[in-house]
Amino acid sequence: DVQLVEAGGGLIQPGGSLRLSCAVSGFTVSTAYMNWVRQAPGRRPEWVSVIYRGGATHYGDSVRGRFTISGDDLKNVLYLQMNSLRVEDTAVYFCARGRDGFPYQFDDWGQGTLVTVSS
Amino acid sequence: DIQMTQSPSSLSASVGDRITITCRASQRIPTYLNWYQQRPGKAPNLLIYEASNLRSGVPSRFSGSGSGTDFALTITGLQPEDFATYYCQQTYSSPTFGQGTKLEIK
Repeated sequence: DVQLVEAGGGLIQPGGSLRLSCAVSGFTVSTAYMNWVRQAPGRRPEWVSVIYRGGATHYGDSVRGRFTISGDDLKNVLYLQMNSLRVEDTAVYFCARGRDGFPYQFDDWGQGTLVTVSS
Repeated sequence: DIQMTQSPSSLSASVGDRITITCRASQRIPTYLNWYQQRPGKAPNLLIYEASNLRSGVPSRFSGSGSGTDFALTITGLQPEDFATYYCQQTYSSPTFGQGTKLEIK
């Protein structure tokens, strides 16, 4: 069975850094299109980042230059390094797998981890 | 970014009803349009991909249609578990979601 489990969220001050992880089972991170999607309370989901099977990465405009997505095949974990955090980064962060061959059709999701940026 | 606008933002209906939610893109996106269902406190769940393709395991009462800029999600014969929030998502360019349609029990 496919399972994705996020961790690493919490309360952080503006300007701080946080690293989220997404432990994966049932497939290998490097063989999938893996994404981070976030959702602020009461708002629509917002795509954050993707890492392609070949390792190429892409970011949404609001996080480009501050966030970095990466994967560890040995541990089978996806990461999101978040730097220079802002209040508007407050959200539940989900990792999501793209449907085979389609990076942005999110067919498997984790349960999410809450990041709160506040002083 | 391509803007996605759903209508209505909320909808009241009864078990057994047929409802339609529409989604409009700010520019043409052929059929690069997906639909998700989200229940409170849970992650979104993919229902329909590429405008009209039912994801495996999703009940056949869900259907999608449209192309270009205008799309629709129809649920025929609402069940109690269908009362949730629905989002459209375009994947023609960097993915963006509609603002959501909350489907409530009348």
